[in-house]
Amino acid sequence: SQQGEEDPQALSIQEGENATMNCSYKTSINNLQWYRQNSGRGLVHLILIRSNEREKHSGRLRVTLDTSKKSSSLLITASRAADTASYFCAPHARAAGNKLTFGGGTRVLVKP
Amino acid sequence: GAVVSQHPSWVICKSGTSVKIECRSLDFQATTMFWYRQFPKQSLMLMATSNEGSKATYEQGVEKDKFLINHASLTLSTLTVTSAHPEDSSFYICSANARASNQPQHFGDGTRLSIL
Repeated sequence: SQQGEEDPQALSIQEGENATMNCSYKTSINNLQWYRQNSGRGLVHLILIRSNEREKHSGRLRVTLDTSKKSSSLLITASRAADTASYFCAPHARAAGNKLTFGGGTRVLVKP
Repeated sequence: GAVVSQHPSWVICKSGTSVKIECRSLDFQATTMFWYRQFPKQSLMLMATSNEGSKATYEQGVEKDKFLINHASLTLSTLTVTSAHPEDSSFYICSANARASNQPQHFGDGTRLSIL
């Protein structure tokens, strides 16, 4: 399986601002998944975007996928202090079965 | 939604003891579960894939005799850290899929293992 690489490694913003993070990967994918991890907890699934989709929304989250550039972005709009967490992307290739591997993530700090 | 329960959430024990961590899928059947290890401020490292009714598949560099995995039912996988030493101290997380590979994984809340 392949892992995504998130950028930036860390992001600090004020409450109410938008946060954007990017994910790059290397080979063809079936779908790409975004997860959030609060400190000391497990990962929580945020959005799954399939390879034939270009954009997907869920509440204040917007994910884009550009398979020609092998990249994805996650936008959090109107951020809140509770959005403070690490965010990971997980590109999923069909050949990998159910296996996912993760990059270093983006640590987001939302200051009140 | 799908829930994965991991137990215990925190373990402190002496060097040389073995520690068992349980991962249960509460409202779905999981033929495959995954075990990850995470060091502070780092990413999750996939250790092994736990397969119901068969042997686990370990990632390169992971000692299978050190980290014993058993997946005896469709809702339970266990990870046993044998003869644990301080360098085994880490945050261990499990995950499971409900069905097909185009579905997201559901994660437990992790187990913080501290070996004295």
